[in-house]
Amino acid sequence: GNSVTQMEGPVTLSEEAFLTINCTYTATGYPSLFWYVQYPGEGLQLLLKATKADDKGSNKGFEATYRKETTSFHLEKGSVQVSDSAVYFCALIFTGGGNKLTFGTGTQLKVEL
Amino acid sequence: KAGVTQTPRYLIKTRGQQVTLSCSPISGHRSVSWYQQTPGQGLQFLFEYFSETQRNKGNFPGRFSGRQFSNSRSEMNVSTLELGDSALYLCASSPEGQLTTEAFFGQGTRLTVV
Repeated sequence: GNSVTQMEGPVTLSEEAFLTINCTYTATGYPSLFWYVQYPGEGLQLLLKATKADDKGSNKGFEATYRKETTSFHLEKGSVQVSDSAVYFCALIFTGGGNKLTFGTGTQLKVEL
Repeated sequence: KAGVTQTPRYLIKTRGQQVTLSCSPISGHRSVSWYQQTPGQGLQFLFEYFSETQRNKGNFPGRFSGRQFSNSRSEMNVSTLELGDSALYLCASSPEGQLTTEAFFGQGTRLTVV
C-alpha cells in the first residue's frame, strides 16, 4: 500500500536557523505530494504542493521538491521564525483515486528566540 | 469565501452513546472527506463522499458511518462509542471530483469519550 515516512520530532531550532524536515514515500505510481501545517488547536492548512516529478512547491519561504528517483519531498526553509512553530505533515494523494490523503506521522517544530 | 465549517467544535460523550458530527464544505466543493487524528495513530482516513455517494472508505469498523446531502454538507456518525474513539475529527472539502488534488480542512471537532 501507499505510505509516507517523516523524520521523528520534535525538532527544536533557534530563530533564523535552517530547517529541513525529511519526507519519503512509498507508492505504486506517481502521486501528488503535499505539506500541511497544523497550529495548536487548529485544523490542517495546506502549505505547499507538487503534482509531478521535479516540481518545486513553495510558500511563505518554505520549499519542497518532488524527487521521483529518491521518492522524497523534503521540506526546507532558509530562516525559521518563532511563528513557524507547529506540526508539519507530509502527505500524498493519487489523482483519479478520489480525495484520499495518506499522511505521515507529523513532525513537531519548535522555534526558540 | 467561507472555509470549511465543522460543528460542534468540542463534544463530550459517554461510552456506549452515539454521536453525529457535521461538516459544511466550501461553497461549490462537492467532495467531503473525514479523518481521525489521535496521538497514537496520527491522521487516518475515514471515508470520502462525492455527490452524495461514498467513494472511498478507510479501515474503520462499521460503527463509523457517514452521509452527504444534496447541498454537499456531510455528517459522520459514530455509534456505541468507545474510549478509543476520543480524537480530533477533521473534515476536508475539495473542489472537483476525479481531477482534484487539493483538500481544505476545517478546524475539527474534538470528541472526548468518558
